[in-house]
Amino acid sequence: SAVISQKPSRDICQRGTSLTIQCQVDSQVTMMFWYRQQPGQSLTLIATANQGSEATYESGFVIDKFPISRPNLTFSTLTVSNMSPEDSSIYLCSVSQGAMNTGELFFGEGSRLTVL
Amino acid sequence: KQEVTQIPAALSVPEGENLVLNCSFTDSAIYNLQWFRQDPGKGLTSLLLIQSSQREQTSGRLNASLDKSSGRSTLYIAASQPGDSATYLCAVMGRRRETSGSRLTFGEGTQLTVNP
Repeated sequence: SAVISQKPSRDICQRGTSLTIQCQVDSQVTMMFWYRQQPGQSLTLIATANQGSEATYESGFVIDKFPISRPNLTFSTLTVSNMSPEDSSIYLCSVSQGAMNTGELFFGEGSRLTVL
Repeated sequence: KQEVTQIPAALSVPEGENLVLNCSFTDSAIYNLQWFRQDPGKGLTSLLLIQSSQREQTSGRLNASLDKSSGRSTLYIAASQPGDSATYLCAVMGRRRETSGSRLTFGEGTQLTVNP
């Protein structure tokens, strides 16, 4: 199974600032995913981070708000821009191991973000 | 649009009891179904992955079944322990309508408490 490290594990930020979350995987993976989990809710996919191309965003999420980088097959970053209290969530990085549609998903420990 | 429902939302049982968590999904055209465990404020731990062609998977005290035609999966936990207390999430990997790719849809989770 993949081992995924996320930084920071938690942070408290001021409204209007931006925060970049890092995700490091211990093996090369084709697809990395970024999820958001708002308080008391399940997970929502923000975007799929593709190496060497732009990320693919889900409905309701845009690149200006959540820019993503994927410089190589083991690393990705998600930036939460111009934050507001509504962005307070756990942000989780995930990777798929195995075939593209049938692989097993593994998650990092998450980054808990509180926006004041 | 795929919808995933988990019942019950919360469950409290005495230690040693066998229990069943339920997951249902509306679109049976899935690639696989995965059960996760999430401890408070933490990321997700993969428990079991069942491919669409499989009927069940077992790992230790855990057994997950899949009935794709009826859109149901169950997670059976034998001889429950206080350490099993967590939120259990069911996630279905299905086909995207708009592209040739796939999409993971999560249920809302079942919050399990095992009392010593």
